[in-house]
Amino acid sequence: KQEVTQIPAALSVPEGENLVLNCSFTDSAIYNLQWFRQDPGKGLTSLLLIQSSQREQTSGRLNASLDKSSGRSTLYIAASQPGDSATYLCAVKGSGYALNFGKGTSLLVTP
Amino acid sequence: GAVVSQHPSRVICKSGTSVKIECRSLDFQATTMFWYRQFPKQSLMLMATSNEGSKATYEQGVEKDKFLINHASLTLSTLTVTSAHPEDSSFYICSAGASDTGELFFGEGSRLTVL
Repeated sequence: KQEVTQIPAALSVPEGENLVLNCSFTDSAIYNLQWFRQDPGKGLTSLLLIQSSQREQTSGRLNASLDKSSGRSTLYIAASQPGDSATYLCAVKGSGYALNFGKGTSLLVTP
Repeated sequence: GAVVSQHPSRVICKSGTSVKIECRSLDFQATTMFWYRQFPKQSLMLMATSNEGSKATYEQGVEKDKFLINHASLTLSTLTVTSAHPEDSSFYICSAGASDTGELFFGEGSRLTVL
């Protein structure tokens, strides 16, 4: 059974800092990996999707990498802003169609 | 990205009543939709896979008679929580996917509170 772990569980940084969120998964036979953002009491917003054949994806200040063989992904956020404060979820898709989620990293960016 | 809409966003009901939550894919057709449940400070747990025109597939431990799923069209799936009890209070989120990339999009979620 696929297990997805996210470290750290919570993170607080001052505005402007670059930061890295980590995600690891136990079964490397994945179809793709997605990073999501969730604001309190809200649904999920898809940030980046990395197919199993890809190494990284970039969108604005966000960069996600994937090392399938070691079962790891990182989400890099450059020049963090208070508006980036949210919970970030990593999810992997295996042979089935549904996603397996980590518990998320709760990020607080202070002004 | 694609848009998935859920309704209602919040619902409060009395114990013993049934509650229906709708999930719509607004700009694409979804033969498969997923229903997740999220407890406070926990991750999303898959409850069931909703298949258009056929029966839903439930995850282990999820009561199919308790959580009725209907996927009557390519743009609509409904989850009905029957005879709701306080322990059913949770955040329910649906998702649907793009068949070409496998990317999944999520609704805004529905907060159910059972008194």
